[in-house]
Amino acid sequence: DTAVSQTPKYLVTQMGNDKSIKCEQNLGHDTMYWYKQDSKKFLKIMFSYNNKELIINETVPNRFSPKSPDKAHLNLHINSLELGDSAVYFCASSQGPAANSPLHFGNGTRLTVT
Amino acid sequence: GESVGLHLPTLSVQEGDNSIINCAYSNSASDYFIWYKQESGKGPQFIIDIRSNMDKRQGQRVTVLLNKTVKHLSLQIAATQPGDSAVYFCAEAGSARQLTFGSGTQLTVLP
Repeated sequence: DTAVSQTPKYLVTQMGNDKSIKCEQNLGHDTMYWYKQDSKKFLKIMFSYNNKELIINETVPNRFSPKSPDKAHLNLHINSLELGDSAVYFCASSQGPAANSPLHFGNGTRLTVT
Repeated sequence: GESVGLHLPTLSVQEGDNSIINCAYSNSASDYFIWYKQESGKGPQFIIDIRSNMDKRQGQRVTVLLNKTVKHLSLQIAATQPGDSAVYFCAEAGSARQLTFGSGTQLTVLP
């Protein structure tokens, strides 16, 4: 019954490594997002995809690359991980644009870079 | 640019009392506002939303008030319960077509 699911829940890795976080939604939503939550709980949008097309790409290092194989999946690949990438990453989806419909969030992936 | 902020980072209330969480926003063009609840180890959960053509909306035990004149949003929780303890975020959306979140308020319900 999980609506938005992301894996893994925890990810511990060393600087310089490449890692991926997967996200899937079974709500039939058209739009998916990646948000980053820092240690102070501040949530900031990274990317937004609508029907597999990128519609929002905030100021994020190009080491971060989203991939949407279909509208139910939005994966996040991170190259050359840095200490500052440590955060909780949330995937979300919405039926329509964020300006009109609420986002449904996954339970997050806690990334720790050592 | 757009910004959304909260007056208080923490709020403690007695079980059974009403809670009021406040939020200020700066973008007068914002026309859609949402409150989220985030429990420890989980993602933000939708509570209630309101559009700019309304000034009040009620849900189950929750009420959102919108004052566009002073760009202020509040969430009222009636008869606060221990399960209401969480971080609460307001978020707003406008012409940028993206949701901008405030910094969150930690609500603690005391027995």
